[in-house]
Amino acid sequence: NAGVTQTPKFQVLKTGQSMTLQCAQDMNHNSMYWYRQDPGMGLRLIYYSASEGTTDKGEVPNGYNVSRLNKREFSLRLESAAPSQTSVYFCASRTEWNEKLFFGSGTQLSVL
Amino acid sequence: AQTVTQSQPEMSVQEAETVTLSCTYDTSESDYYLFWYKQPPSRQMILVIRQEAYKQQNATENRFSVNFQKAAKSFSLKISDSQLGDAAMYFCAYRSRGSYQLTFGKGTKLSVIP
Repeated sequence: NAGVTQTPKFQVLKTGQSMTLQCAQDMNHNSMYWYRQDPGMGLRLIYYSASEGTTDKGEVPNGYNVSRLNKREFSLRLESAAPSQTSVYFCASRTEWNEKLFFGSGTQLSVL
Repeated sequence: AQTVTQSQPEMSVQEAETVTLSCTYDTSESDYYLFWYKQPPSRQMILVIRQEAYKQQNATENRFSVNFQKAAKSFSLKISDSQLGDAAMYFCAYRSRGSYQLTFGKGTKLSVIP
């Protein structure tokens, strides 16, 4: 099983450029999440989707947009990248019956 | 808002010894879940153990166990017979039953000394 697939693994952007991080899960999970991880800050929730067709802001949503395209896919878009968005981004989905969170392998994003 | 505090940025343990990582949290909820996640250098996040707040019995998973003190809002992780593969960042996390949000602590970096 692939689990949670996240692309790309690495990306370098210039300030002002846009990009979309893709995420797909094959576990039929309703809930999906986008986190960012910064040194000394732990993981902070950007956006989440409780089910297909719904999205909600997390702790740090500014500068990001998301789309829950279908049950499998949940993408994160940076419309105008800023150096403050340099981070490692993780997508995750959750099994509801046992609360287990499955993470993708992360995207290392650098904004110059 | 709920907060999760890990007061030990770094810890070290001798191989085969026992180490305890601390976690405290702040919430007004009575029904919630607590988790410990491990992040090795590969960057993958791995669930180590989970605890349901309404269960008084402490969760255990092989060499990993927790000391859950609900009144004190404390959730520590004990690793017994530490192995080199246990070296990683460890994150404590909290989720209220009625919420979709999972709140993480800032992490504790564990080193295992051969």
